[in-house]
Amino acid sequence: DTEVTQTPKHLVMGMTNKKSLKCEQHMGHRAMYWYKQKAKKPPELMFVYSYEKLSINESVPSRFSPECPNSSLLNLHLHALQPEDSALYLCASSQGTSGGYLSTDTQYFGPGTRLTVL
Amino acid sequence: AQSVSQHNHHVILSEAASLELGCNYSYGGTVNLFWYVQYPGQHLQLLLKYFSGDPLVKGIKGFEAEFIKSKFSFNLRKPSVQWSDTAEYFCAVMVNNAGNMLTFGGGTRLMVKP
Repeated sequence: DTEVTQTPKHLVMGMTNKKSLKCEQHMGHRAMYWYKQKAKKPPELMFVYSYEKLSINESVPSRFSPECPNSSLLNLHLHALQPEDSALYLCASSQGTSGGYLSTDTQYFGPGTRLTVL
Repeated sequence: AQSVSQHNHHVILSEAASLELGCNYSYGGTVNLFWYVQYPGQHLQLLLKYFSGDPLVKGIKGFEAEFIKSKFSFNLRKPSVQWSDTAEYFCAVMVNNAGNMLTFGGGTRLMVKP
């Protein structure tokens, strides 16, 4: 089973709202990722969690706040977003490693949450 | 920093035609290479991957890719495409000096005419 689930599928929010995106996997993976994908563009990495610790933040604005409550769950908290933040937000997971590089690591993606900011 | 180039942005083929999508990367060290596919309205799915060994790798749905180290390429091929292959295809690279981060190419949008 290589399933990553994401909720909600669609989200419409105003610029003053606070909302959260959720991602879950039960593959025993220890690395989880958030990507942003604009239409007709490749995914852009936002955050990486490795063993429940934030390991990479690709200079993402603070209005996006990730959280990894446990090894199976990854949240993305949204606050005071801008219309240009409208995009498909993808979660991925991989086996990960507690140190350095895992040469066989493979990321599996969820279906995404399509976010519209009004 | 490494980069990944997919020179074909849009490809239109008729059913049964052969497919080859180009992917080139810029990194001189050890790389792991991936092709992902995104069907309309669906999520990214792994088509195939190369870590080591035989440079010709076979994936799902009849796709294959060949790693040519001297050309820094990992082109995707399929002998005979079907209408259901209409999708966006992304090449991605993972290098050993960037943790397990993936760098994606810009994508190739394939349309197969029935």
